[in-house]
Amino acid sequence: NAGVTQTPKFRVLKTGQSMTLLCAQDMNHEYMYWYRQDPGMGLRLIHYSVGEGTTAKGEVPDGYNVSRLKKQNFLLGLESAAPSQTSVYFCASSSGTTNTEAFFGQGTRLTVV
Amino acid sequence: ELKVEQNPLFLSMQEGKNYTIYCNYSTTSDRLYWYRQDPGKSLESLFVLLSNGAVKQEGRLMASLDTKARLSTLHITAAVHDLSATYFCAVDPNTGNQFYFGTGTSLTVIP
Repeated sequence: NAGVTQTPKFRVLKTGQSMTLLCAQDMNHEYMYWYRQDPGMGLRLIHYSVGEGTTAKGEVPDGYNVSRLKKQNFLLGLESAAPSQTSVYFCASSSGTTNTEAFFGQGTRLTVV
Repeated sequence: ELKVEQNPLFLSMQEGKNYTIYCNYSTTSDRLYWYRQDPGKSLESLFVLLSNGAVKQEGRLMASLDTKARLSTLHITAAVHDLSATYFCAVDPNTGNQFYFGTGTSLTVIP
């Protein structure tokens, strides 16, 4: 059981380039989330999805877009990367019931130069 | 704006000692989660607290929730080196199924 898998694990981008981070979960979870983790700031919610075909903004959505075309996948896009987007990105999923936690992927370390 | 504050941010403690990490939050919620993160790794779920007065224990860690005070605590008993990690609390507002994290507490247990 793989749980939550993120692709890629590491990436270096030049300013202005675009990329897509892929998150896949095999737990049949309804809810999926994208977070960024920066030193001293904990994890901040970028976007989330409450089901296939739906997305919503979190705390820090600017500069990112997301899509949830399939229930098991949640994509995070950076259209024009900026150095301020250098961070570790985590994807998570949860069942959407009231008594379960979120399960996290391994993270993607992104550097924008 | 929902705020989740942890203190202390950094904690260095000797093996065998006890200490408590605090998590305060600003919204109505009766769902609070604790996670552990080792350096360079993902987040691992430790505790799920789902009601006022909830208490969970696992080994040397015990977590509690006071929803009226909007406060959760993570108590460490007789610390050992293996507990060195960063600990996060996360709040799920009563609007449902979103997880807002505190800034984390970096714990170092020294011999």
